[in-house]
Amino acid sequence: DTEVTQTPKHLVMGMTNKKSLKCEQHMGHRAMYWYKQKAKKPPELMFVYSYEKLSINESVPSRFSPECPNSSLLNLHLHALQPEDSALYLCASSQTGTGALEQYFGPGTRLTVT
Amino acid sequence: GQNIDQPTEMTATEGAIVQINCTYQTSGFNGLFWYQQHAGEAPTFLSYNVLDGLEEKGRFSSFLSRSKGYSYLLLKELQMKDSASYLCASSSGSARQLTFGSGTQLTVLP
Repeated sequence: DTEVTQTPKHLVMGMTNKKSLKCEQHMGHRAMYWYKQKAKKPPELMFVYSYEKLSINESVPSRFSPECPNSSLLNLHLHALQPEDSALYLCASSQTGTGALEQYFGPGTRLTVT
Repeated sequence: GQNIDQPTEMTATEGAIVQINCTYQTSGFNGLFWYQQHAGEAPTFLSYNVLDGLEEKGRFSSFLSRSKGYSYLLLKELQMKDSASYLCASSSGSARQLTFGSGTQLTVLP
């Protein structure tokens, strides 16, 4: 099983809503990542979790709140978003260890903020 | 800091060979990845290099020169389905975070 799943596939939310994005993998990977991708741009790293602990926060606004409840799950809680936050949100996972380690990406959640 | 450059667009003919170049300047470098991304879909892994040299995987090969901060992806026997964006990404740091280039949009013509 080399699959990373993400739900929902599409999400439309207002600026006052609270919603959550979910990501799951069963590959035994202990590193998980959130990326944001705008149209015709490359993915940009938001957060990195290593062994369920937040190791990197790339200066992401506090209206985005990540959570890693266990080694298979990664959530991204959204609150008071802005229209410019509309994007494709990608989750990825990888093994941990030495050397370069391949990241497996989920299909993404396409978020529209109205 | 991290800086990755690759051409914005390339066009090639079905059945031909195309080489997509990438130059990088990355602190804490530990590898160079190539991903393919079709419009509206997630990136899919193609190849990676840790050490200098050529890695071959079927129709795709990737080359790395760490001293020159240079990599290329070689696609052989191009097919129409190869039309996509090709992302060069450097891996760095203990968390192995990826920094992506802007992507090269490849169009394969019949």
